[in-house]
Amino acid sequence: SQQGEEDPQALSIQEGENATMNCSYKTSINNLQWYRQNSGRGLVHLILIRSNEREKHSGRLRVTLDTSKKSSSLLITASRAADTASYFCATDRGGGKLIFGQGTELSVKP
Amino acid sequence: GAGVSQTPSNKVTEKGKYVELRCDPISGHTALYWYRQSLGQGPEFLIYFQGTGAADDSGLPNDRFFAVRPEGSVSTLKIQRTERGDSAVYLCASSLMGQGYNSPLHFGNGTRLTVT
Repeated sequence: SQQGEEDPQALSIQEGENATMNCSYKTSINNLQWYRQNSGRGLVHLILIRSNEREKHSGRLRVTLDTSKKSSSLLITASRAADTASYFCATDRGGGKLIFGQGTELSVKP
Repeated sequence: GAGVSQTPSNKVTEKGKYVELRCDPISGHTALYWYRQSLGQGPEFLIYFQGTGAADDSGLPNDRFFAVRPEGSVSTLKIQRTERGDSAVYLCASSLMGQGYNSPLHFGNGTRLTVT
């Protein structure tokens, strides 16, 4: 069963705009991670936020975590055509396995 | 340095045949994971190794699926009596210390399995 659910399922924006993707989950977590996947490739880790953290930054990425609402958001600022990919959230509930959501397909048009 | 390597990159087999998929993790990574991904879906957890032992195999769909990691490095996912529904991309990932240690996963590019 999937733990995280992302929305929107698909997002299309112009280069330079910001992109926001959301993730909701059902049970308590140790951490939440965001990954990116280009077509036909494996997933690449972007950022990890622990359950006791509320916000984290990495370059043009900003992740927030609200454990009371069991939700997270990923913001990509000043998007580029090269950001076009699928983005997945994944939750670590302890015990070893990381559970992925269905993903958001982002298209950035030049 | 070298990343996670999966072989073959593509495998076409006939229904009912046996297949083996191989994963070479990043050197020194103690944890290894297998996931399965269908088109348009997120990765679906299959099994997680910590060292040589399967710490969690709750995602294996049935007893046709089996995975080993005999020396705590390379892993092989084995599928017996393949069915058309097994067609998917099989992803392998490794991490330095496994979950519970806030350790991210490093993925290979996957093996695309097609059962005809």
